[in-house]
Amino acid sequence: QQPVQSPQAVILREGEDAVINCSSSKALYSVHWYRQKHGEAPVFLMILLKGGEQKGHDKISASFNEKKQQSSLYLTASQLSYSGTYFCGTEIAGATNKLIFGTGTLLAVQP
Amino acid sequence: NAGVTQTPKFRVLKTGQSMTLLCAQDMNHEYMYWYRQDPGMGLRLIHYSVGEGTTAKGEVPDGYNVSRLKKQNFLLGLESAAPSQTSVYFCASSYSPGQEEYSGNTIYFGEGSWLTVV
Repeated sequence: QQPVQSPQAVILREGEDAVINCSSSKALYSVHWYRQKHGEAPVFLMILLKGGEQKGHDKISASFNEKKQQSSLYLTASQLSYSGTYFCGTEIAGATNKLIFGTGTLLAVQP
Repeated sequence: NAGVTQTPKFRVLKTGQSMTLLCAQDMNHEYMYWYRQDPGMGLRLIHYSVGEGTTAKGEVPDGYNVSRLKKQNFLLGLESAAPSQTSVYFCASSYSPGQEEYSGNTIYFGEGSWLTVV
């Protein structure tokens, strides 16, 4: 039931782009993206509801393909502050009162 | 506005001891959750509650009990702690679709409780 994230880790130079993928074996109602800095709580980035929408703010955006039960997070022109672990959380259709998280993707942005 | 507050932040237990983690939220959220986080495992849902007086099992409920006697509080209990329960525990809360403030199930996390069982 836990969504699968890929890659597990990625190292970037400042200014480079990255894509993090999240896929589920279940039909999804929504996908959430969170970022966690070391030793801190996860922080909400964005939520995408079924309907195949795409969202974004600043240089971080995401897409949700309901048919493929997949979501992707796009980070463009990465900054040092983007470093952290990114988690996708999924609400399964018919069970929208709990959020199940993936195993996370560690992103390290170097100067 | 404190958001989601967890106590204690750090605790060391001996195997077999019991303890309770307290979570309090001041945002009038209907939904509350307890997650544990372990290296390489991400955040795994232990138990959750969709309202005062209700609880339900998540992905990894064994060895834990919960209670939601008041809407703002969600307690996580370990009756007989085991080394496998060494982890970081996060409480979280969110609005329910029935609440006026609901705009998608955005979850707000507490700062975490570091528990070591020796």
